[in-house]
Amino acid sequence: QSELTQPPSVSGAPGQRVTISCTGSSSNLGAGYAVHWYLQLPGTAPKLLIYANSNRPSGVPDRFSGSKSGTSASLAITGLQAEDEADYYCQSYDTSLRASVFGGGTKLTVL
Amino acid sequence: QVTLKESGPALVKPTQTLTLTCTFSGFSLNTGGMRISWIRQPPGKALEWLARIDWDDDKFYSTSLKTRLTISKDTSKNQVVLTMTNIDPVDTATYFCARLADSGAHDYWGQGALVTVSS
Repeated sequence: QSELTQPPSVSGAPGQRVTISCTGSSSNLGAGYAVHWYLQLPGTAPKLLIYANSNRPSGVPDRFSGSKSGTSASLAITGLQAEDEADYYCQSYDTSLRASVFGGGTKLTVL
Repeated sequence: QVTLKESGPALVKPTQTLTLTCTFSGFSLNTGGMRISWIRQPPGKALEWLARIDWDDDKFYSTSLKTRLTISKDTSKNQVVLTMTNIDPVDTATYFCARLADSGAHDYWGQGALVTVSS
């Protein structure tokens, strides 16, 4: 059982907007620790998509955006494209565990 | 250019000890603030954080695995080593090493090393 909770799957048609939620607790997101998001294509390593709640690394399109409030965070993807079909993970730090923690992952299907 | 690469055995027998090496370049673990994590992913499952070592040799472990894990570094070789004792088939996974940035995000990842545990 992951410390951060994500929906197992989401889907959307090309061009649409989808959001992926990430729910934590008072020892991670609620304690003020940042959330980070990764995209993982099959057979490849995760790639950093959003860091520190809402910042995009160089090269990540502005179709991807992140937000955080209290014990929850979300990743939004606008103008959905076929290449966005992948697994998405959120990650934060848990002060009780003194460890990085990941969500269970969300599979995005582009219809 | 920051790169990381995992190496180790592809097949391990149950009860044996697994040793994985992360060889990195483009930064130094002697530099203040630098940290490296090990993360694994069983086939078809989620990412699981395992351990972390910091530039000052501080070490942190997953609560559920801490009795079986040891992380160490060799700064002269730019390597971080993870050992896992008493390996079991449930430990079959792709093992990644990744650099942990100041933000708390893992900004660079290795390609991963698939380890299968089977007799």
